[in-house]
Amino acid sequence: EVQLVESGGGLVQPGGSLRLSCAASGFTFSSYWMNWVRQAPGKGLEWVASIKEDGSEKYCVDSVKGRFTISRDNAKNSLYLQMNSLRAEDTAVYYCARDSNWAFYSWGQGNLVTVSS
Amino acid sequence: QSALTQPPSASGSPGQSVTISCTGTSSDVGGYNHVSWYQQHPGKAPKLMIYEVSKRPSGVPDRFSGSKSGNTASLTVSGLQAEDEADYYCSSYAGSLHWVFGGGTKVTVL
Repeated sequence: EVQLVESGGGLVQPGGSLRLSCAASGFTFSSYWMNWVRQAPGKGLEWVASIKEDGSEKYCVDSVKGRFTISRDNAKNSLYLQMNSLRAEDTAVYYCARDSNWAFYSWGQGNLVTVSS
Repeated sequence: QSALTQPPSASGSPGQSVTISCTGTSSDVGGYNHVSWYQQHPGKAPKLMIYEVSKRPSGVPDRFSGSKSGNTASLTVSGLQAEDEADYYCSSYAGSLHWVFGGGTKVTVL
């Protein structure tokens, strides 16, 4: 069974940093693109970033470019999102999602990040 | 990239059908057959219901079907059941390894 478990969220002040982690199990992690998708409170879903199986290619939405970095450690079956220069509008539940067939096939339970002073 | 356009709400009685539209542009929905649909119950993670316009993952009832015409994709839920009441989101590949979601549609079973 595919399992994705996010951690590392919490309350952070504007301008601060946070690193999210996603522990994967139940599948061959190194064989899949992985993604971060977020959902602001009461709002819709927003794709944040994607990373290739071997970490050689990374893509992100314009609103986080230069502030967020997606990475992975295939030896640890883990996905990461380093978030710097956080803003109030980054407040959201962050989901890690496994890619398959050009879709977000499996999702974690989500981790809340709150940016507030 | 701009978000895809979905109606904010849709409804139907048990046993009826409801169809949700998802309108984009030739740069996303119209340009690729990589449209997917997600169901989200309150407080839960999204769940993939349809991928590649019309394919269903294992375990998704065949009451759920997808289609696409031009720049608009659609999700139809036939034989509505109480457990189908949820938010539904469409998503499309938008080129250059970017993705875009719709704003979501709240489906109510009357």
